Amino acid sequence: NFMLTQPHSVSESPGKTVTISCTRSSGSIASNYVQWYQQRPGSAPTTVMYEDSQRPSGVPDRFSASIGSSSNSASLTISGLKTEDEADYYCQSYDSSNRGVFGGGTKLTVL
Amino acid sequence: QLQLQESGPGLVKPSETLSLTCPVSGASISSSSYYWGWIRQPPGKGLEWIGSIHYSGSTYYNPSLNSRVTISVDTSKNQFSLKLSSVTAADTAVYYCARHKVQTNWFDPWGQGTLVTVSS
Repeated sequence: NFMLTQPHSVSESPGKTVTISCTRSSGSIASNYVQWYQQRPGSAPTTVMYEDSQRPSGVPDRFSASIGSSSNSASLTISGLKTEDEADYYCQSYDSSNRGVFGGGTKLTVL
Repeated sequence: QLQLQESGPGLVKPSETLSLTCPVSGASISSSSYYWGWIRQPPGKGLEWIGSIHYSGSTYYNPSLNSRVTISVDTSKNQFSLKLSSVTAADTAVYYCARHKVQTNWFDPWGQGTLVTVSS
């Protein structure tokens, strides 16, 4: 099986742009869809991006995501940062046997 | 609106079996387009997929838990369940149930989660 590696933490100022990476250890990142979830303290995860680059209704267009085959990684970009974006973010994919794989999570601090 | 809500004991003794149920409201569990899954999160740590089931009975388990996990579905009650045997303190976690799409494995929505503590 493969692993998804995320930076443990990132921080940026309000109004700026931040990118969180999610690198797949083996196999192509493009082989299986990648989702991104936001988790605030004490709450269940909610989707901010799904199927590589799709945004659910209700998620602001400040959130975007992409897949990079050369780096074998997925990226979540949040522009115009707001203090309310401060949370943990998890990427998620799956293997050829439909077994789910989560990244270790990235703590975003907006300061 | 689809809702999932985990239910079960919040405290389980070591070596015993953890049992949780996830009733589904607002949609039928008997949809060919979705799996129904369990995910857990130890305190202060990340998310770990436990396993998933299709209403047809097909199951997929995390290899690291495979020998201890059983997930079942009850279409008459529109719910699915998790059993984890021989638990230890390492199984202490918030347990979530969630729906996910067959083709893309997108988990959405999630239940609110329930904390299960393994302790004597």
